[in-house]
Amino acid sequence: GAGVSQSPRYKVAKRGQDVALRCDPISGHVSLFWYQQALGQGPEFLTYFQNEAQLDKSGLPSDRFFAERPEGSVSTLKIQRTQQEDSAVYLCASSLEPAGGTETQYFGPGTRLLVL
Amino acid sequence: GQNIDQPTEMTATEGAIVQINCTYQTSGFNGLFWYQQHAGEAPTFLSYNVLDGLEEKGRFSSFLSRSKGYSYLLLKELQMKDSASYLCAVRAAAGNKLTFGGGTRVLVKP
Repeated sequence: GAGVSQSPRYKVAKRGQDVALRCDPISGHVSLFWYQQALGQGPEFLTYFQNEAQLDKSGLPSDRFFAERPEGSVSTLKIQRTQQEDSAVYLCASSLEPAGGTETQYFGPGTRLLVL
Repeated sequence: GQNIDQPTEMTATEGAIVQINCTYQTSGFNGLFWYQQHAGEAPTFLSYNVLDGLEEKGRFSSFLSRSKGYSYLLLKELQMKDSASYLCAVRAAAGNKLTFGGGTRVLVKP
């Protein structure tokens, strides 16, 4: 069906506020990734799910960041007590096969988060 | 650790050819990807190399030398719509995550 979708597309938060970012991967895709992209930089890995299992969260910058994918489809990235340095575009990507395969990752349009 | 380098910006003329180089030093290797990203949009897949050599796909070609830790993306017959950032990304042997370079912003001038 359609590609990866993300919502909201834009989010303005006051410092200290909690935010939740949603990702709808391509239907049937096993793998789901979250990346953070600062302005003018390449994306940086945050976390990886294979179905509902979070297999790698080594890129999460602090314990204020939490991600889940409870039913192996939609995923939510939650940031607690947002700080100004959290301002970035948060990209979600999905791929058909699990880790180790040669599958391409397909990206969503991202959520642009601005923390004031 | 992972280190991926590519030029920050390049300028070329419509109809010309541009080559974007990418060098990498990674603890493992299981493929190199090139993505195109227009401002404010999602990265879109261009090419994938896992073996040495050249992969050609229309106006875009990508080359890989694993022994040198080197890849390039070649854009031929440049069009104005090719103005975008081009991201080089390496997948480590362990796991499926991609490590990206900083991106090369290509500006195509008339």
